[in-house]
Amino acid sequence: GAGVSQSPSNKVTEKGKDVELRCDPISGHTALYWYRQRLGQGLEFLIYFQGNSAPDKSGLPSDRFSAERTGESVSTLTIQRTQQEDSAVYLCASSQKQGGAETQYFGPGTRLLVL
Amino acid sequence: AQRVTQPEKLLSVFKGAPVELKCNYSYSGSPELFWYVQYSRQRLQLLLRHISRESIKGFTADLNKGETSFHLKKPFAQEEDSAMYYCALKGYGADKLIFGTGTRLQVFP
Repeated sequence: GAGVSQSPSNKVTEKGKDVELRCDPISGHTALYWYRQRLGQGLEFLIYFQGNSAPDKSGLPSDRFSAERTGESVSTLTIQRTQQEDSAVYLCASSQKQGGAETQYFGPGTRLLVL
Repeated sequence: AQRVTQPEKLLSVFKGAPVELKCNYSYSGSPELFWYVQYSRQRLQLLLRHISRESIKGFTADLNKGETSFHLKKPFAQEEDSAMYYCALKGYGADKLIFGTGTRLQVFP
């Protein structure tokens, strides 16, 4: 079946503008994660949604970042008043927790460039 | 603090040579360790996890709690192994993954 999809694949914006990134998880996956990968760095956790539980927002770097997810479907990550340091690849992953084993399936990412 | 360290940014070997990609972690407890791989123009995908104790595509990794390491090994590298490899940790009871900065493996013919 279809994997995790993300849109847009690339986004160029001007400093100060708001951007919205979208993630479509694998159908039936209750867990959804957002990560950020800056150039030459590992993936940084941003936020985690699990079913109807309150999201884990502990990785969001500032209050300019927010994310929403409706039920177990699409999620959007919003960055307000973008800064140049927000330039990165934003990756989404989803998973279906089954007992102790869980595999996160990643999307192709959105490459964000803030000029 | 939880941390994953991959000391090598780039590892270059010739086809048929042994490969070891290093991963060290910092975590006070029993973590779950993973190796993820990203081939050129493909998305990040799970290669193996320590709890499975399996060999995938000829790769193995053993969790050494004494040395806090989870090195990835393959006795005979193949050209198709060329990719970016990330070591990741999940703390006990946690959900998020903590990634290292990755090692690019280049296997020359």
